[in-house]
Amino acid sequence: QSALTQPASVSGSPGQSITISCTGTSSDVGSYNLVSWYQQYPGKAPKLMIYEGSKRPSGVSNRFSGSKSGNTASLTISGLQAEDEADYYCCSYAGSRTHVVFGGGTKLTVL
Amino acid sequence: EVQLLESGGGLVQPGGSLRLSCAASGFTFSNYAMSWVRQAPGKGLEWVSAISGSGATTYYADSVKGRFTISRDNSKNTLYLQMSSLRAEDTAVYYCAKDLWDSIPSYGMDVWGQGTTVTVSS
Repeated sequence: QSALTQPASVSGSPGQSITISCTGTSSDVGSYNLVSWYQQYPGKAPKLMIYEGSKRPSGVSNRFSGSKSGNTASLTISGLQAEDEADYYCCSYAGSRTHVVFGGGTKLTVL
Repeated sequence: EVQLLESGGGLVQPGGSLRLSCAASGFTFSNYAMSWVRQAPGKGLEWVSAISGSGATTYYADSVKGRFTISRDNSKNTLYLQMSSLRAEDTAVYYCAKDLWDSIPSYGMDVWGQGTTVTVSS
């Protein structure tokens, strides 16, 4: 069981917007603005999409955005495209004992 | 080009040991914290360990504490993960990743290697 809870799957049609939630606790997501999001295609290494909750690395499309409310972080993808179909993982700093936790991952299907 | 290249994976018996390496290029290696993240077959990502840029500070997941040791040789631009007392549940693809800063893990991991596969089986 992963420390952060994500829906197993989400889907959307091209052009639509979807949001993937990542629920933690007051010991991780709720206490630090250190949530990152990763995109992973099958058989490939993960790619950083969002860091520090809402910042986008250079080269990542502005269709990807991150936010947080309380113990839940969210990744929103707007203007959904076929190439967005992948697995998405959230990750958070979790304090000086646990350090880093990942969510279980969400499979995004573009219909 | 910024690049990470892992090596050292393979088949090992339960209770055995293995050392993974990660060769870095294209950036000033000692300026960044580095992490190991693993992914069991068909499963999600699991953070394993991290190390500060100087190597002075290390961090471990509870699942590997006391069995795995992370280290780095900044003169060789190489990150290591020494794994001992290996268990079947350690079977996974192991990725090394560069952190965004030389700070606590993890503000974000912006460069990843292609992964090396570790299989623990008799």
